Amino acid sequence: DTGVSQDPRHKITKRGQNVTFRCDPISEHNRLYWYRQTLGQGPEFLTYFQNEAQLEKSRLLSDRFSAERPKGSFSTLEIQRTEQGDSAMYLCASSSAAGGPFHNEQFFGPGTRLTVL
Amino acid sequence: DAKTTQPPSMDCAEGRAANLPCNHSTISGNEYVYWYRQIHSQGPQYIIHGLKNNETNEMASLIITEDRKSSTLILPHATLRDTAVYYCIVRALNTNAGKSTFGDGTTLTVKP
Repeated sequence: DTGVSQDPRHKITKRGQNVTFRCDPISEHNRLYWYRQTLGQGPEFLTYFQNEAQLEKSRLLSDRFSAERPKGSFSTLEIQRTEQGDSAMYLCASSSAAGGPFHNEQFFGPGTRLTVL
Repeated sequence: DAKTTQPPSMDCAEGRAANLPCNHSTISGNEYVYWYRQIHSQGPQYIIHGLKNNETNEMASLIITEDRKSSTLILPHATLRDTAVYYCIVRALNTNAGKSTFGDGTTLTVKP
């Protein structure tokens, strides 16, 4: 399978704990995006990387959230001191900045569902 | 990115065409219309996109009005597996690095 993968698929944690999610994009894609989705709503943009550089962060990304993409390949999203309001699906997507029929098209992973108790 | 408006839900009979409307009256000249769908508990899946001409692929057809203020996604022969939330978004190809602004979409239920 050469699509976007995310790990874990599900995470249950207690309030106050730290959690880290991983995203592996499609190998030739240099852009990587994180979104958050709560029940009944569409995905909300959190942050975006081009290669290893984090180029944009949403105001939704509080100081408890940090994302990295150290070698321009996989990315991690860490949430510190989790709160119940952090419960959501965290989606990762990747795209290529190169031309072609899928220019800039985003391919989404299956998501990590976080439940904070 | 321009805002889109979609009906919250629609039903369609299996085997019939599903026509999903989207309003994007503030669309800019360099913004494309994209459609995604999200089946329960999965990530969004790209369906089709277009600028001003009608587009067709193996999944669906996209009809964009001449003034580009609205569009319709057509699933020609809906199956039960097409039951999903369908999102219409507008996005300029080379700005904002392609981040997508999703609304709440249309929940399509295909009934036997």
